[in-house]
Amino acid sequence: GAVVSQHPSRVICKSGTSVKIECRSLDFQATTMFWYRQFPKQSLMLMATSNEGSKATYEQGVEKDKFLINHASLTLSTLTVTSAHPEDSSFYICSAFATENYGYTFGSGTRLTVV
Amino acid sequence: LAKTTQPISMDSYEGQEVNITCSHNNIATNDYITWYQQFPSQGPRFIIQGYKTKVTNEVASLFIPADRKSSTLSLPRVSLSDTAVYYCLVVPNTGTASKLTFGTGTRLQVTL
Repeated sequence: GAVVSQHPSRVICKSGTSVKIECRSLDFQATTMFWYRQFPKQSLMLMATSNEGSKATYEQGVEKDKFLINHASLTLSTLTVTSAHPEDSSFYICSAFATENYGYTFGSGTRLTVV
Repeated sequence: LAKTTQPISMDSYEGQEVNITCSHNNIATNDYITWYQQFPSQGPRFIIQGYKTKVTNEVASLFIPADRKSSTLSLPRVSLSDTAVYYCLVVPNTGTASKLTFGTGTRLQVTL
């Protein structure tokens, strides 16, 4: 079946630094990927939609200059949290849409802790 | 996108059948009903998807009445490892990617 690899699985960074999270579709092409954020005991909240070769579209309230998204190929989307602060600590999850079977596959998530 | 409503939490003993019902009153004609399972610190994992009537796979069954305004995920003989959050989503079948809206999910706790 479709597999989405997300890396790193967990990262700790200092306040003010930037962190990049990668999301790869391993056995299918994904023209569209999604990025979610999940706080403890809460549901997934959509942050942005990443389209290959074009700018990402962000949900209301999500700062596009803080959460930089790049979708340079059909199998890779990256999310960079710039100038991270403790309130950015969360669980970030990507999802890829497979045009072959119209399915959505999720990555394993990245636990970001900003200290 | 159709909003879904499901119980916040459920408890079960190991070996019992668990039924989780989800309501989606505003489901559209081309929408599918999809259930995901999520363990702590992991991404959601696809369980089952259906359009109408009954769908069964190796892990679960999905029951959808004729009006499609609700659906029930049935987990036969749950074990401790089925403790997780279960999300019901309404997914448009348009051939292109759509934003998926996650509701609260149902936190299932299985005990001995």
